[in-house]
Amino acid sequence: DADVTQTPRNRITKTGKRIMLECSQTKGHDRMYWYRQDPGLGLQLIYYSFDVKDINKGEISDGYSVSRQAQAKFSLSLESAIPNQTALYFCATSDSDSKGKLFFGEGSRLTVL
Amino acid sequence: SQKIEQNSEALNIQEGKTATLTCNYTNYSPAYLQWYRQDPGRGPVFLLLIRENEKEKRKERLKVTFDTTLKQSLFHITASQPADSATYLCATSPSGGYQKVTFGTGTKLQVIP
Repeated sequence: DADVTQTPRNRITKTGKRIMLECSQTKGHDRMYWYRQDPGLGLQLIYYSFDVKDINKGEISDGYSVSRQAQAKFSLSLESAIPNQTALYFCATSDSDSKGKLFFGEGSRLTVL
Repeated sequence: SQKIEQNSEALNIQEGKTATLTCNYTNYSPAYLQWYRQDPGRGPVFLLLIRENEKEKRKERLKVTFDTTLKQSLFHITASQPADSATYLCATSPSGGYQKVTFGTGTKLQVIP
């Protein structure tokens, strides 16, 4: 089984709909992250969390919100999806002294029509 | 702002040869530099990490160099195989506190049998 599991893997939705992407991990890491990847662009950080009570905005947090329900669970929400949020979304984890070593999930491909 | 540049053009190489990928960074001095492998539609997988005070790091057929004067890292795959075909991402992170990881856009490597 994967250490970092994302659901759903693929989702097609319409403009204005609320969408939640979920991430769970079995690595026991404190830190969790949500990234977005678009063709030709590097991975962009949306939100990150160092523990259940510590959530921080990343580079592109507008239009997104997150919830850290437990150490092992971190969900990303799009309150009102728009077409330019069509992208591949990745959840990642790390320990507190990762030195940049991240463990990624398999990704959630979101299409907003 | 921090920027990482990787050759956006795909690199085609004959099986058995050494593949060399380049990563250049500007406007900062990272403490750590990482290389990840990403297959189409999959999450990035961590390969190697090198520290600013290390010149070279090896792991099996992989070798990474880190030149802080040139602000450049080279990633080598010796005796390349078709299974090495993938996109390779360069990433950097600072020391201490929140070690935010900045990713490059990646270079696609195609190893031709």
